[in-house]
Amino acid sequence: AQRVTQPEKLLSVFKGAPVELKCNYSYSGSPELFWYVQYSRQRLQLLLRHISRESIKGFTADLNKGETSFHLKKPFAQEEDSAMYYCALSRWNTDKLIFGTGTRLQVFP
Amino acid sequence: SQTIHQWPATLVQPVGSPLSLECTVEGTSNPNLYWYRQAAGRGLQLLFYSVGIGQISSEVPQNLSASRPQDRQFILSSKKLLLSDSGFYLCAWSVRGRGEDEKLFFGSGTQLSVL
Repeated sequence: AQRVTQPEKLLSVFKGAPVELKCNYSYSGSPELFWYVQYSRQRLQLLLRHISRESIKGFTADLNKGETSFHLKKPFAQEEDSAMYYCALSRWNTDKLIFGTGTRLQVFP
Repeated sequence: SQTIHQWPATLVQPVGSPLSLECTVEGTSNPNLYWYRQAAGRGLQLLFYSVGIGQISSEVPQNLSASRPQDRQFILSSKKLLLSDSGFYLCAWSVRGRGEDEKLFFGSGTQLSVL
């Protein structure tokens, strides 16, 4: 069965500290992995997807098929990074997304 | 440009009352449409998705139903609300075959409180 696990409900760091939001998945085929973000009073929106292999707002995520992980990382957190982050997967070339339970990131000044 | 409208933004309903949440998409045709629920501590759960008018797939057994009377309209309903139906409901759309583009576009959500 498809499943996405985000073990941390809340992650608190100080500005300038490194950040890693964990995401593990279970899926037997070739999944597409995504990170979505919801800033305060804004809509849920795509942050990045693994096939793009790009850095968005300083965040990167590498798909590790051996560990079935897709952790989101940023070397130096900013206060404006405070938001709810969701990891999600879909079967290759389909639109239906399975989301994790989300991790709230708090960045203190 | 494409936009998605979802209303109402907040709703307080008594147990046993009916429910109707509406979602419409503009600027695109034949979208895939989705209803997600964001319950406390449970993340985003896919409830229904639709690939066309009158075509509804239910992901989880529940007290809710969905309908798609028009190409760009998606309605979430219940005949009798339960306390456990409380949550934040999100409508989303996608266009098949977008390739590298964003996968899902979300509405602003409806916060439903069943008392």
